[in-house]
Amino acid sequence: GAVVSQHPSRVICKSGTSVKIECRSLDFQATTMFWYRQFPKQSLMLMATSNEGSKATYEQGVEKDKFLINHASLTLSTLTVTSAHPEDSSFYICSAPAAGGSQETQYFGPGTRLLVL
Amino acid sequence: AQSVTQLGSHVSVSEGALVLLRCNYSSSVPPYLFWYVQYPNQGLQLLLKYTSAATLVKGINGFEAEFKKSETSFHLTKPSAHMSDAAEYFCAVSDYPGNTPLVFGKGTRLSVIA
Repeated sequence: GAVVSQHPSRVICKSGTSVKIECRSLDFQATTMFWYRQFPKQSLMLMATSNEGSKATYEQGVEKDKFLINHASLTLSTLTVTSAHPEDSSFYICSAPAAGGSQETQYFGPGTRLLVL
Repeated sequence: AQSVTQLGSHVSVSEGALVLLRCNYSSSVPPYLFWYVQYPNQGLQLLLKYTSAATLVKGINGFEAEFKKSETSFHLTKPSAHMSDAAEYFCAVSDYPGNTPLVFGKGTRLSVIA
């Protein structure tokens, strides 16, 4: 099946620094990717929709200036957490629907665990 | 707007017993329904999905789920629990996963007792 990778798998950073998380579709093209956030022992909450070649769409309550999304190519979307603070510590997961073939499934990355000290 | 309700944040069963995890959905259009499993500190693994074909869907690891439109339910079952089934399970809904995000339930943690 289709594979989505994320890098890094885990990152620890100091408060105030920026962290970039990459989401790649390895064997298919993805014009759309979704970014979710999962706090400990909670469900996945959609943060934003990443669109190749256009601006991302953010969910209500998600600061677009803090969570910068760039969908640079059909296989790569990046999420940059700017000026990270401890409350940004979370598990970030991306997903991508497969373009072509079965479009009834989204493929999820393995997630990136961010810890802000 | 779509939504998913998972009844029971924590379910505990004995090894070899029936597993039943409940999921009810709300959708204004025919839904696509999914069950995912998440092991500690890992990402999501798709167990099974309903995409308007057969109402009884068989998935991996012996799990299956039945879509019941009249009850707006998509409960997950497994006849005999194994210790390795202990994990967090998420039910999710989408009107068309080809271009819309999934809406997840709050999750149900399954514990299996030896």
